[in-house]
Parts: sequence; structure tokens; C-alpha cells
Amino acid sequence: DIQMTQSPLSLSASVGDRVTITCRASQSIRTYLNWYQQKPGKAPTLLIYGASTLEGGVPSRFSGSGSGTDFTLTISTLQPEDFATYYCQQSYSTSWTFGQGTKVDIK
Amino acid sequence: QLQLQESGPGLMKPSETLSLTCTVSGGSIGSSSYFWGWIRQPPGKGLEWIGNIYYSGSTYYNPSLKSRLTMSIDTSKNQFSLNVSSVTAADTAVYYCARSVPTYYYGSGSYGRHDFWGQGTLVTVSS
Repeated sequence: DIQMTQSPLSLSASVGDRVTITCRASQSIRTYLNWYQQKPGKAPTLLIYGASTLEGGVPSRFSGSGSGTDFTLTISTLQPEDFATYYCQQSYSTSWTFGQGTKVDIK
Repeated sequence: QLQLQESGPGLMKPSETLSLTCTVSGGSIGSSSYFWGWIRQPPGKGLEWIGNIYYSGSTYYNPSLKSRLTMSIDTSKNQFSLNVSSVTAADTAVYYCARSVPTYYYGSGSYGRHDFWGQGTLVTVSS
């Protein structure tokens, strides 16, 4: 199994802050890396796939980068609606796996 | 717009077999372009990938759950299903179904991902 490790697991930030979340894979996954956002009581929604491609309708303040084993999700200017939990997921192997999640809350 | 809706028992007892169905509307489950997947989330915890199934019936399971899983697909009803045998309290979770774009490494390539999700259904295992 490919293990996905996110850091930090939680962070507190203010509206307008730049936020960065990292995700590390236990082996190279090239760029087969997705990011999802989940708000309480709701299903996750796809933000980014292929490490850096924004899903349609996702605001441009979200960006993703990385390849191989190390990846980042950046929110350039945090908005009130961005307070949520973010998950990375690898789809390189036939058995996909998620990271533990990073909760972004209000400072 | 594609929509997915999970249905299941809600409450069940340990050792029983969990059966969940996902009904898809607004698109054909028989499309060769997509897989159909299941993901679960225990209360207050993170997401766990369960598996994907192709319209042909080919399946890809989480190795840690594989011995207890059976996924199936019924293109005539536009539904796919998940069975989890011998459930315990550890199987208590919100279960989501999702459309899965497959991963292709060659040719034009494709990045596997879940692009449409159901709202989820809570399954509680308790004696």
C-alpha cells in the first residue's frame, strides 16, 4: 500500500492568510495526486487533480504543486468559506489511499 | 447533472453483512469512461477508500478490507452495490459512493479521481 502523510493535521489561520498544506507519499506517485475539501456534514468535493490541475469551478486562489513524493496545496488568500478539512489522495496504484486530513479553522 | 444517492440499512448488528446501493441519475453507469467507487468515514475521522468497480464488473479493493468486500454493478438499474461481511463496530461510518475517473498512464493519460459524490449514508453497527 502507498501511505499518504499530511502535515500539519490542523492549523489556525485568519481570513486573508496564505495557507500551505503538505502531503507526502511513501513512494513515488508521479503526479497522481488529488486534493479534496470537506465541510462539516457534507461530502468531500474535488479541488485539484493531477497534482496541479484545478477542477472546474474551483477558485484560482487554490493551487497545487509537486511530483514524486512531495506535494503542497496552497490557498493564496484564505476566505471565510475555505475553513474546512482538506484531504490528499493518491491514484497512482490500483488501490487508492487518502491522507489523514488537515483541518483549517479560524484563528 | 450527475447525481448519486446511497441507500442502506442505517443500523445493524455485529457479524451481519452490510449491503449498500448507490443509484445514479443524470448519466449512464454503463459508460466505459468511468469507474464507480465507495469511500467511508468513521464519525470524527478521516476518509478511507474502499474500492472501485468498472461497468464490466472488474473490481479494485482496499487490501485491508478485501477479504470482506464484494462490489457489484447493475447497468440495467443504473446502480452499483457494496457488501461488507462480518461487520463490527469499527465499520460504523458514513459511506459515500462516487464516480471515479480512472487512472491511465499511457496515451492521452488520465488522473484517477472522484469527481462526483453522493451525500453519504450513516451506517451504525451496534449490538
